[in-house]
Amino acid sequence: SQTIHQWPATLVQPVGSPLSLECTVEGTSNPNLYWYRQAAGRGLQLLFYSIGIGQISSEVPQNLSASRPQDRQFILSSKKLLLSDSGFYLCAWSGRTSGGNTGELFFGEGSRLTVL
Amino acid sequence: AQTVTQSQPEMSVQEAETVTLSCTYDTSESNYYLFWYKQPPSRQMILVIRQEAYKQQNATENRFSVNFQKAAKSFSLKISDSQLGDTAMYFCAFMKLGDNNDMRFGAGTRLTVKP
Repeated sequence: SQTIHQWPATLVQPVGSPLSLECTVEGTSNPNLYWYRQAAGRGLQLLFYSIGIGQISSEVPQNLSASRPQDRQFILSSKKLLLSDSGFYLCAWSGRTSGGNTGELFFGEGSRLTVL
Repeated sequence: AQTVTQSQPEMSVQEAETVTLSCTYDTSESNYYLFWYKQPPSRQMILVIRQEAYKQQNATENRFSVNFQKAAKSFSLKISDSQLGDTAMYFCAFMKLGDNNDMRFGAGTRLTVKP
């Protein structure tokens, strides 16, 4: 069966420090991968998605970047964090609907980032 | 771009009663999926129900059912016999068909089931 893990679960960082959140998927190949951010009491904002190694699409111009160095690994980074980067970050994967999958997203456990 | 609107930020319902959560969306696509996700206090996102746009029959999953009105671009969720464990944030989501499976979410409705 497929599993998705992201870490760390909780992170407290000072303004101006770097960030690296990691996400890995097991039990599937060539997944679509996503990073979402959920601000307190609000919905999910799509930050990045990737359909393959080295292929990253950015939805919102911001202080963050994403990379996909391996098929099932997705990394969210920042060189210098801002206060506004605080939030709950969710990694997710899905199969390709062209491959007969139903398209639903499967989410990781989330990473809570607090920037002080 | 596709947008998803949930006009009810908060709702409450008595245990064992029925509640309906509203969702509308805007798209020019003809083939797409619609979803309802649940996010309990644990913050884990859980799929509740899925609807393919080409299917006229409304999807059902036990106590959860949808009212899908394609022409009106409406996709409401009905929860029957509400249980305390249904207390959560509920998100409506839209995804167009294709290899990049770009899923868009509404702002969410916070549902509280009262004993």
